[in-house]
Amino acid sequence: DIQMTQSPSTLSASVGDRVTITCRASQNINRYLAWFQQKPGRAPKLLIYKASSLEDEVPSRFSGRGSGTEFTLTIISLQPDDFATYYCQQYITYPWTFGQGTKVEI
Amino acid sequence: QVQLQQWGAGQLKPSETLSLTCAVSGGSFTDYYWNWIRQPPGKGLEWIGQIHHSGVTYYNPSLKSRVTIFVDPSKRQFSLRMTSVTAADTATYFCARENWLDVWGQGTTVTVSS
Repeated sequence: DIQMTQSPSTLSASVGDRVTITCRASQNINRYLAWFQQKPGRAPKLLIYKASSLEDEVPSRFSGRGSGTEFTLTIISLQPDDFATYYCQQYITYPWTFGQGTKVEI
Repeated sequence: QVQLQQWGAGQLKPSETLSLTCAVSGGSFTDYYWNWIRQPPGKGLEWIGQIHHSGVTYYNPSLKSRVTIFVDPSKRQFSLRMTSVTAADTATYFCARENWLDVWGQGTTVTVSS
């Protein structure tokens, strides 16, 4: 299985901050990477697919970059609604696998 | 607008069989792959498996021996069956569309306890 490793596991930030989450794959996944936001008690929500494509209706303050084995999710000007847990997921090789999550907290 | 509505038994005893169904409303059913994912309490996400309307399936090897995913295109539904459940299968189970999981069901909490 392809291992996905996110860092940091927890990130403390304030409204208005720029935050970056990193996701590393154990082997080359080209650009087959998605990013999700999850709030407690809710299903994950797709933010980014194909490493950098913004899903419809997702605010432009979210952006994704990277290819191969290293990827980043950046949120510019963090908003109160952005405090949540974020996951990356690879979908180049079965089984699809997820990072362990990054909790963005106040 | 595509929506996924899922249901199934929420309380199981060890050794019983978990059964969940996900119904797709809106959009195409035949153009996509359909997935099951689970999340144990307080933990991360685990992909269980995937099915196409043609019946082609892919499973997580860690669960493959106990899992079957099947589809009913006429009802626009797909289902998950997991045999011989244990407490380790306690989780919220989600259905979702396509490889990049762009649309999700609301989740079903399944608790396995004697």
